[in-house]
Amino acid sequence: GENVEQHPSTLSVQEGDNSIINCAYSNSASDYFIWYKQESGKGPQFIIDIRSNMDKRQGQRVTVLLNKTVKHLSLQIAATQPGDSAVYFCAENRNSYKLIFGSGTRLLVRP
Amino acid sequence: DAGVIQSPRHEVTEMGQEVTLRCKPISGHDYLFWYRQTMMRGLELLIYFNNNVPIDDSGMPEDRFSAKMPNASFSTLKIQPSEPRDSAVYFCASSPRGHSYNEQFFGPGTRLTVL
Repeated sequence: GENVEQHPSTLSVQEGDNSIINCAYSNSASDYFIWYKQESGKGPQFIIDIRSNMDKRQGQRVTVLLNKTVKHLSLQIAATQPGDSAVYFCAENRNSYKLIFGSGTRLLVRP
Repeated sequence: DAGVIQSPRHEVTEMGQEVTLRCKPISGHDYLFWYRQTMMRGLELLIYFNNNVPIDDSGMPEDRFSAKMPNASFSTLKIQPSEPRDSAVYFCASSPRGHSYNEQFFGPGTRLTVL
């Protein structure tokens, strides 16, 4: 079935440290995995995506790792800043506009 | 560009009343999506349109929910009659044709409370 699970549900990090958010998926037919950021009172905002035939993709201060063997996806944020405080969602899709979202991870950045 | 515009931002109504949520997508975007976000069920796609035509409405919870897109710049999500379990934040999002499936541009949402 369609299932995307995230952990932890809340992550607290010190400003300047690296953050790692994890996602487990069950459907091997997914074409893409995507990360969104949702700040308080706003809609989700696209961060980065990775195609299922890739293992790693990097953006500005973010890195996505995909391990298809264990069906695991992670988002790493380098040098976490106060502005990174938000809820982060992983999502999957199968070559369509229908995104299946995970339950979210709340990232808290301690000054 | 102003981004996706949703109205109202907050709506409080009583059970049994009709509720209409409105969305103006980003100009030039051909795809429009309606999502619902709750603590229990997370972020769920309700329906999406391509060029004003509904493509997938499998996420619409029941017949009390209906969505329309009369033109490229306007869509509505209607709940009639509303129930307390419909309380949620409803998001509209849009995406341009030929763009990545993965990047959808979300509006600020409408927080609906049904008493």
